[in-house]
Amino acid sequence: EAGVTQFPSHSVIEKGQTVTLRCDPISGHDNLYWYRRVMGKEIKFLLHFVKESKQDESGMPNNRFLAERTGGTYSTLKVQPAELEDSGVYFCASSQVMTGELFFGEGSRLTVL
Amino acid sequence: AQSVAQPEDQVNVAEGNPLTVKCTYSVSGNPYLFWYVQYPNRGLQFLLKYITGDNLVKGSYGFEAEFNKSQTSFHLKKPSALVSDSALYFCAVSSPGDGGFKTIFGAGTRLFVKA
Repeated sequence: EAGVTQFPSHSVIEKGQTVTLRCDPISGHDNLYWYRRVMGKEIKFLLHFVKESKQDESGMPNNRFLAERTGGTYSTLKVQPAELEDSGVYFCASSQVMTGELFFGEGSRLTVL
Repeated sequence: AQSVAQPEDQVNVAEGNPLTVKCTYSVSGNPYLFWYVQYPNRGLQFLLKYITGDNLVKGSYGFEAEFNKSQTSFHLKKPSALVSDSALYFCAVSSPGDGGFKTIFGAGTRLFVKA
């Protein structure tokens, strides 16, 4: 069974540019989460999808971040325009039930110069 | 506000010795508690969880964790450390909110096991 996959693994962009991160969850997992970790700090919750619906987007930093999950399968997280403070590792995770363990992808490292 | 604290940035232990990685939390209600491990260039992997019942839960790779409600702690333990246990460990708490269950994480503790 394939795990959670994320693309790209690393992206380097300049301030003001746009980046789109993609996450493919484990097949059959309705719950999909996005998290971000800035160097040495906690893994911060961004948002939670249940199928194609946003269940909780309270962690999204501002309106420069847009997440979608069309059709309830893969998800994208777009940052437009990117700022220096957006640098970090963006993790995607999925789960079968909300109260169960999360299955994580390897993360997408974003560097904004 | 809900939070998870891992007071140690790094824990150093000799191979064969017992290890403890500390975690305390502040959430309302009865949370679900988790430990995850991250090896270099990999995603986080689930180790164990506590939902209810026995305060000592056992997980993968010989790890266990003890839930202490009065101290709001969920420390990770292993009786005999291995060099291969060296990794980054994250404590996590899942609790109900307006948007369903939300899982929040601590900042992580790096475990270094010396041969």
